Amino acid sequence: GENVEQHPSTLSVQEGDSAVIKCTYSDSASNYFPWYKQELGKRPQLIIDIRSNVGEKKDQRIAVTLNKTAKHFSLHITETQPEDSAVYFCAAKRDNYGQNFVFGPGTRLSVLP
Amino acid sequence: NAGVTQTPKFRVLKTGQSMTLLCAQDMNHEYMYWYRQDPGMGLRLIHYSVGEGTTAKGEVPDGYNVSRLKKQNFLLGLESAAPSQTSVYFCASSYGEGTALYEQYFGPGTRLTVT
Repeated sequence: GENVEQHPSTLSVQEGDSAVIKCTYSDSASNYFPWYKQELGKRPQLIIDIRSNVGEKKDQRIAVTLNKTAKHFSLHITETQPEDSAVYFCAAKRDNYGQNFVFGPGTRLSVLP
Repeated sequence: NAGVTQTPKFRVLKTGQSMTLLCAQDMNHEYMYWYRQDPGMGLRLIHYSVGEGTTAKGEVPDGYNVSRLKKQNFLLGLESAAPSQTSVYFCASSYGEGTALYEQYFGPGTRLTVT
């Protein structure tokens, strides 16, 4: 089955700096890769996703890159702000394989003022 | 439009007691899921359902049962609670496979403590 690893487990950056979180997956058939953000005490919410036919996707200060050959994808946050402090989860899924995602263990991002 | 709701928000059980967690969604989603979240372990799938009347096991199903008698509701049962089931439980829902709309919408969570 699919296995998703995520690094680092914790990340501290200064406000205004960039943050990068990397995930690797094991199933080469996976083709959908979402990122969820979970603020303290809140529910996870989708912030960006990418499909395997695309190498990069951007949404304002957030971008995701995908390297299918190496089986890894990364979340990039630029110009970080205190409200970016949260736990970020990556996940991987195969089409037509049920809606089961396999989530990574999460990265706790702290943006220091 | 309330989205995904969960009942209760908090619960404390003694070992051996039983309880049912209720999840409801008003988005007409086909798929529903139950996850547990433990520190450092992310979200682990307990059971899921791909439609009314169907259920299937996820990654960590032991000690839990589920039912989906109505499309909008997904119940998670603990028949004999154990301290290892102390966790935060999240319900989620999404559209069906054929839509290619994979986003999962999560409920607010239920914090369960078993003493």
